[in-house]
Amino acid sequence: GAGVSQTPSNKVTEKGKYVELRCDPISGHTALYWYRQSLGQGPEFLIYFQGTGAADDSGLPNDRFFAVRPEGSVSTLKIQRTERGDSAVYLCASSLVGSRVNNEQFFGPGTRLTVL
Amino acid sequence: AQSVTQLGSHVSVSEGALVLLRCNYSSSVPPYLFWYVQYPNQGLQLLLKYTSAATLVKGINGFEAEFKKSETSFHLTKPSAHMSDAAEYFCAVIGNNNDMRFGAGTRLTVKP
Repeated sequence: GAGVSQTPSNKVTEKGKYVELRCDPISGHTALYWYRQSLGQGPEFLIYFQGTGAADDSGLPNDRFFAVRPEGSVSTLKIQRTERGDSAVYLCASSLVGSRVNNEQFFGPGTRLTVL
Repeated sequence: AQSVTQLGSHVSVSEGALVLLRCNYSSSVPPYLFWYVQYPNQGLQLLLKYTSAATLVKGINGFEAEFKKSETSFHLTKPSAHMSDAAEYFCAVIGNNNDMRFGAGTRLTVKP
Protein backbone atom coordinates (compact mmCIF):
# COMPACT_ATOMS: atom_id res chain seq x y z
CA GLY A 1 0.00 0.00 0.00
CA ALA A 2 1.04 3.56 -0.62
CA GLY A 3 0.21 5.02 2.77
CA VAL A 4 -0.16 4.28 6.44
CA SER A 5 -3.18 2.14 7.18
CA GLN A 6 -5.01 1.62 10.44
CA THR A 7 -7.58 -0.93 11.48
CA PRO A 8 -10.29 -0.86 12.52
CA SER A 9 -11.47 2.53 11.36
CA ASN A 10 -14.04 2.56 14.15
CA LYS A 11 -14.18 0.65 17.40
CA VAL A 12 -16.98 0.76 19.94
CA THR A 13 -16.42 -1.01 23.22
CA GLU A 14 -17.74 -1.10 26.74
CA LYS A 15 -16.04 0.32 29.77
CA GLY A 16 -13.61 -2.17 31.24
CA LYS A 17 -12.96 -4.07 28.02
CA TYR A 18 -9.63 -4.64 26.28
CA VAL A 19 -8.96 -3.26 22.78
CA GLU A 20 -6.22 -3.54 20.20
CA LEU A 21 -5.61 -1.01 17.47
CA ARG A 22 -3.40 -1.87 14.52
CA CYS A 23 -1.11 0.25 12.40
CA ASP A 24 0.59 -0.71 9.13
CA PRO A 25 3.30 1.84 8.34
CA ILE A 26 4.70 2.70 4.96
CA SER A 27 7.04 -0.06 3.83
CA GLY A 28 10.63 0.73 4.71
CA HIS A 29 9.84 3.34 7.34
CA THR A 30 11.83 2.59 10.45
CA ALA A 31 10.14 5.08 12.74
CA LEU A 32 6.54 4.70 13.92
CA TYR A 33 4.50 6.99 16.16
CA TRP A 34 1.18 6.79 17.96
CA TYR A 35 -0.87 9.88 18.78
CA ARG A 36 -4.24 10.44 20.40
CA GLN A 37 -6.59 13.16 19.22
CA SER A 38 -9.46 14.10 21.47
CA LEU A 39 -12.41 16.05 20.16
CA GLY A 40 -11.50 19.64 19.38
CA GLN A 41 -7.82 19.19 20.15
CA GLY A 42 -4.60 18.59 18.32
CA PRO A 43 -2.98 15.17 18.32
CA GLU A 44 -1.00 14.29 21.46
CA PHE A 45 2.07 12.11 21.33
CA LEU A 46 1.84 8.68 22.95
CA ILE A 47 4.82 6.56 21.90
CA TYR A 48 7.58 6.41 19.31
CA PHE A 49 9.27 3.30 17.93
CA GLN A 50 12.59 3.16 16.19
CA GLY A 51 12.67 -0.30 14.66
CA THR A 52 11.32 -2.82 17.14
CA GLY A 53 12.07 -0.87 20.28
CA ALA A 54 10.10 1.88 21.95
CA ALA A 55 12.48 4.83 21.83
CA ASP A 56 10.15 7.05 23.83
CA ASP A 57 6.96 6.04 25.61
CA SER A 58 6.69 9.13 27.78
CA GLY A 59 3.33 10.07 26.27
CA LEU A 60 1.46 6.95 27.38
CA PRO A 61 -1.04 8.23 29.96
CA ASN A 62 -0.85 5.26 32.33
CA ASP A 63 -0.02 1.57 32.54
CA ARG A 64 -3.29 0.56 30.90
CA PHE A 65 -1.73 1.60 27.60
CA PHE A 66 0.90 -0.51 25.90
CA ALA A 67 2.23 -0.79 22.35
CA VAL A 68 4.38 -3.28 20.51
CA ARG A 69 6.15 -3.52 17.21
CA PRO A 70 7.70 -7.00 17.30
CA GLU A 71 9.08 -7.18 13.78
CA GLY A 72 9.77 -3.52 13.19
CA SER A 73 6.83 -3.04 10.88
CA VAL A 74 3.23 -3.44 12.06
CA SER A 75 2.44 -1.98 15.46
CA THR A 76 -0.40 -2.68 17.87
CA LEU A 77 -1.62 -0.26 20.51
CA LYS A 78 -3.25 -2.12 23.38
CA ILE A 79 -5.57 -0.57 25.95
CA GLN A 80 -6.64 -2.54 29.00
CA ARG A 81 -9.67 -1.85 31.18
CA THR A 82 -10.89 0.90 28.89
CA GLU A 83 -12.45 4.00 30.39
CA ARG A 84 -14.84 6.52 28.85
CA GLY A 85 -12.03 9.06 28.87
CA ASP A 86 -10.09 6.88 26.44
CA SER A 87 -12.58 7.76 23.70
CA ALA A 88 -10.65 9.56 20.97
CA VAL A 89 -9.16 9.13 17.52
CA TYR A 90 -5.90 7.22 17.68
CA LEU A 91 -3.51 8.21 14.93
CA CYS A 92 -0.48 6.35 13.68
CA ALA A 93 2.34 7.91 11.68
CA SER A 94 5.56 6.64 10.17
CA SER A 95 8.71 8.27 8.88
CA LEU A 96 11.68 7.02 6.95
CA VAL A 97 14.09 7.60 9.79
CA GLY A 98 13.68 8.83 13.30
CA SER A 99 15.58 12.06 13.36
CA ARG A 100 14.69 15.65 14.12
CA VAL A 101 16.04 16.82 10.80
CA ASN A 102 13.71 16.42 7.88
CA ASN A 103 11.41 14.21 9.91
CA GLU A 104 8.31 14.14 7.73
CA GLN A 105 5.72 11.95 9.34
CA PHE A 106 3.01 10.36 7.23
CA PHE A 107 -0.27 9.83 9.05
CA GLY A 108 -2.87 7.15 8.77
CA PRO A 109 -6.62 7.91 8.79
CA GLY A 110 -6.93 6.98 12.44
CA THR A 111 -9.07 4.65 14.53
CA ARG A 112 -12.02 6.25 16.25
CA LEU A 113 -12.42 4.58 19.63
CA THR A 114 -15.66 5.01 21.54
CA VAL A 115 -15.93 3.63 25.05
CA LEU A 116 -19.52 3.38 26.28
CA ALA B 1 10.83 21.98 25.55
CA GLN B 2 9.21 22.65 22.20
CA SER B 3 5.61 23.74 21.77
CA VAL B 4 3.35 25.66 19.43
CA THR B 5 0.36 27.88 20.02
CA GLN B 6 -2.28 28.52 17.40
CA LEU B 7 -4.16 31.77 17.80
CA GLY B 8 -7.80 31.45 16.89
CA SER B 9 -9.63 28.15 17.02
CA HIS B 10 -11.87 29.22 14.17
CA VAL B 11 -11.22 31.46 11.18
CA SER B 12 -13.84 32.36 8.60
CA VAL B 13 -13.04 34.00 5.25
CA SER B 14 -14.88 34.64 2.03
CA GLU B 15 -13.95 32.76 -1.11
CA GLY B 16 -11.15 34.63 -2.85
CA ALA B 17 -10.00 36.41 0.32
CA LEU B 18 -6.63 36.11 2.01
CA VAL B 19 -6.18 33.24 4.44
CA LEU B 20 -4.01 33.86 7.50
CA LEU B 21 -3.66 31.19 10.18
CA ARG B 22 -1.40 32.07 13.07
CA CYS B 23 1.16 29.90 14.82
CA ASN B 24 3.76 30.87 17.40
CA TYR B 25 6.41 28.48 18.61
CA SER B 26 8.57 28.01 21.66
CA SER B 27 11.81 26.12 21.30
CA SER B 28 15.13 25.92 23.11
CA VAL B 29 16.83 24.67 19.94
CA PRO B 30 16.43 25.59 16.27
CA PRO B 31 12.89 24.46 15.51
CA TYR B 32 11.61 22.22 12.78
CA LEU B 33 8.08 23.40 12.04
CA PHE B 34 5.20 21.93 10.08
CA TRP B 35 1.71 22.72 8.94
CA TYR B 36 -0.76 19.88 8.45
CA VAL B 37 -4.30 19.93 7.11
CA GLN B 38 -7.04 17.54 8.19
CA TYR B 39 -10.21 17.10 6.19
CA PRO B 40 -13.24 15.56 7.89
CA ASN B 41 -12.77 11.87 8.67
CA GLN B 42 -9.35 11.83 7.06
CA GLY B 43 -5.77 11.66 8.26
CA LEU B 44 -3.36 14.54 8.55
CA GLN B 45 -1.76 15.70 5.33
CA LEU B 46 1.47 17.67 5.25
CA LEU B 47 1.10 21.14 3.75
CA LEU B 48 4.64 22.37 4.23
CA LYS B 49 7.64 22.22 6.53
CA TYR B 50 10.47 24.46 7.71
CA THR B 51 13.83 22.80 8.34
CA SER B 52 16.16 25.83 8.60
CA ALA B 53 16.67 26.39 4.89
CA ALA B 54 14.65 29.20 3.29
CA THR B 55 12.53 31.20 5.71
CA LEU B 56 9.67 31.43 3.22
CA VAL B 57 8.34 27.96 2.63
CA LYS B 58 5.96 27.10 -0.17
CA GLY B 59 3.64 24.16 0.19
CA ILE B 60 0.87 22.40 -1.61
CA ASN B 61 -2.45 23.90 -2.68
CA GLY B 62 -1.02 27.42 -2.89
CA PHE B 63 -0.19 27.72 0.82
CA GLU B 64 3.01 29.20 2.15
CA ALA B 65 4.45 30.07 5.55
CA GLU B 66 7.18 32.39 6.71
CA PHE B 67 9.51 31.58 9.57
CA LYS B 68 10.21 34.70 11.63
CA LYS B 69 12.67 34.06 14.42
CA SER B 70 12.32 37.55 15.88
CA GLU B 71 8.59 36.99 16.31
CA THR B 72 8.82 33.22 17.01
CA SER B 73 6.10 32.81 14.40
CA PHE B 74 5.31 30.51 11.52
CA HIS B 75 2.02 31.82 10.15
CA LEU B 76 0.30 30.08 7.25
CA THR B 77 -1.08 32.13 4.37
CA LYS B 78 -2.83 31.72 1.06
CA PRO B 79 -3.59 34.71 -1.17
CA SER B 80 -7.00 33.54 -2.32
CA ALA B 81 -9.21 31.09 -0.43
CA HIS B 82 -11.06 28.34 -2.23
CA MET B 83 -14.06 26.45 -0.96
CA SER B 84 -11.98 23.27 -0.93
CA ASP B 85 -9.64 24.84 1.65
CA ALA B 86 -12.25 24.41 4.37
CA ALA B 87 -10.63 22.05 6.89
CA GLU B 88 -8.79 21.90 10.21
CA TYR B 89 -5.21 23.14 10.16
CA PHE B 90 -2.54 22.15 12.65
CA CYS B 91 0.82 23.71 13.31
CA ALA B 92 3.45 21.40 14.79
CA VAL B 93 7.05 21.37 15.99
CA ILE B 94 9.42 18.46 16.40
CA GLY B 95 10.16 17.78 20.06
CA ASN B 96 13.38 16.62 21.67
CA ASN B 97 12.46 12.96 21.22
CA ASN B 98 11.36 13.24 17.58
CA ASP B 99 7.72 13.41 18.60
CA MET B 100 5.50 15.88 16.76
CA ARG B 101 3.93 18.46 19.08
CA PHE B 102 0.77 19.92 17.70
CA GLY B 103 -1.20 23.04 18.36
CA ALA B 104 -4.89 22.84 19.18
CA GLY B 105 -5.83 23.45 15.56
CA THR B 106 -7.67 26.16 13.62
CA ARG B 107 -10.85 25.38 11.78
CA LEU B 108 -11.05 27.30 8.52
CA THR B 109 -14.45 28.05 7.07
CA VAL B 110 -14.76 29.48 3.55
CA LYS B 111 -17.95 31.35 2.72
CA PRO B 112 -19.18 31.55 -0.87
